[in-house]
Amino acid sequence: DTGVSQDPRHKITKRGQNVTFRCDPISEHNRLYWYRQTLGQGPEFLTYFQNEAQLEKSRLLSDRFSAERPKGSFSTLEIQRTEQGDSAMYLCASSPQSGANVLTFGAGSRLTVL
Amino acid sequence: AQTVTQSQPEMSVQEAETVTLSCTYDTSESDYYLFWYKQPPSRQMILVIRQEAYKQQNATENRFSVNFQKAAKSFSLKISDSQLGDAAMYFCAYRSGEGETSGSRLTFGEGTQLTVNP
Repeated sequence: DTGVSQDPRHKITKRGQNVTFRCDPISEHNRLYWYRQTLGQGPEFLTYFQNEAQLEKSRLLSDRFSAERPKGSFSTLEIQRTEQGDSAMYLCASSPQSGANVLTFGAGSRLTVL
Repeated sequence: AQTVTQSQPEMSVQEAETVTLSCTYDTSESDYYLFWYKQPPSRQMILVIRQEAYKQQNATENRFSVNFQKAAKSFSLKISDSQLGDAAMYFCAYRSGEGETSGSRLTFGEGTQLTVNP
């Protein structure tokens, strides 16, 4: 297992377009998280899955954002009608359920909205 | 809600010297975890060290150690014998130890950019 994979690494889009990011977690991890990070800031929590169930969503996740993890493996994060304020790095992380459930992060998907 | 504060936006250290990064947090919980993550310019966050709040002993990982002061809600990171590869953004993070929902998210500080001078 090579860790948490995210695709694409960088997406440039025009305002109003829809974008989708994919995250493949570490296979043994049943928890998956999405965070958003703007330049010079710490990551902000967006949402969290345990297996296929979405257990928590941040208020940051507006109606234009949707995340899925249909079979409890990979996850997608879709942003509809993108706005310039959506420009950020979108980080995915996964963790096991037990113990301190330390998060392992992916390299991130950078979104630039023109 | 829990908050994490890193009051040093930037720090610098000479190679082979020691540097301490500060972190304070605010919580009313007694069961929680604290973490330091490193984010090099390649942007992938890497766990440096973690501390369970119920443990009195400070965590250590090779050149990295923490000073955990539970009463003061302080969690500083000490890097000894600093190396050029230690240059990165360092984030302090908090996780509740209670429950399956609130116990899962990490709350991050604003980060400290560490420069290591040769």
